[in-house]
Amino acid sequence: QVQLQESGPGLVRPSETLSLTCAVSGFSMTSGFFWGWVRQSPGKGLEWLGHIYHTGSAHYNPSLKSRVTMSVDTSKTHFSLKLTSMTAADAAVYYCARVDVRTFDAWGQGTLVTVST
Amino acid sequence: QSALTQPASVSGSPGQSITISCTGTSSDVGGYNYVSWYQQHSGKAPKLMISDVTNRPSGVSPRFSGSKSGNTASLTISGLQADDEADYYCSSETSSSTLVFGTGTKVTVL
Repeated sequence: QVQLQESGPGLVRPSETLSLTCAVSGFSMTSGFFWGWVRQSPGKGLEWLGHIYHTGSAHYNPSLKSRVTMSVDTSKTHFSLKLTSMTAADAAVYYCARVDVRTFDAWGQGTLVTVST
Repeated sequence: QSALTQPASVSGSPGQSITISCTGTSSDVGGYNYVSWYQQHSGKAPKLMISDVTNRPSGVSPRFSGSKSGNTASLTISGLQADDEADYYCSSETSSSTLVFGTGTKVTVL
């Protein structure tokens, strides 16, 4: 069964760029699914950030579109999220997930990102 | 894009049925049969409970069911159990080829 695991820095300074990676195991990334990111600010709801196909075709949340970039590594075993110009409002738990059509059917455990000097 | 509207909280006694609504517009919930529901226990990752309005993934209890009428989708939990106490979120495809989540509903088992 598919497993996803997020990794990256738990602390990012304001104005810097967040870089997170999601490792995919137990399933081929080239098997017709999208791969996405969702975040959840403390005590708040879920926010869709975007999702990407293994070919590189991506869809992003319009509210973040100028700041977000997703990519799939050449080995097709990892995919990544970059979010520029981080502020306190971007502090959240970031989840990676497999996207089946329009459904997040498998999730990573999440990684907490704090924004502070 | 605006979040879909859900009631902040819903409660019920063990054994009862409850329904959570998810209201959007004709550009999201009303326009597509791509509504999903997720359960999130405190401190845990969300878990898919319903996809494509009514489809229940393998392993999800038949006590969970989904429906849609117009711009409002609903999740019904029948035979409420203590372990159902969690936050629930809906999501939908939109006309802009994006996804949007609902505001979330806290379910309390009395």
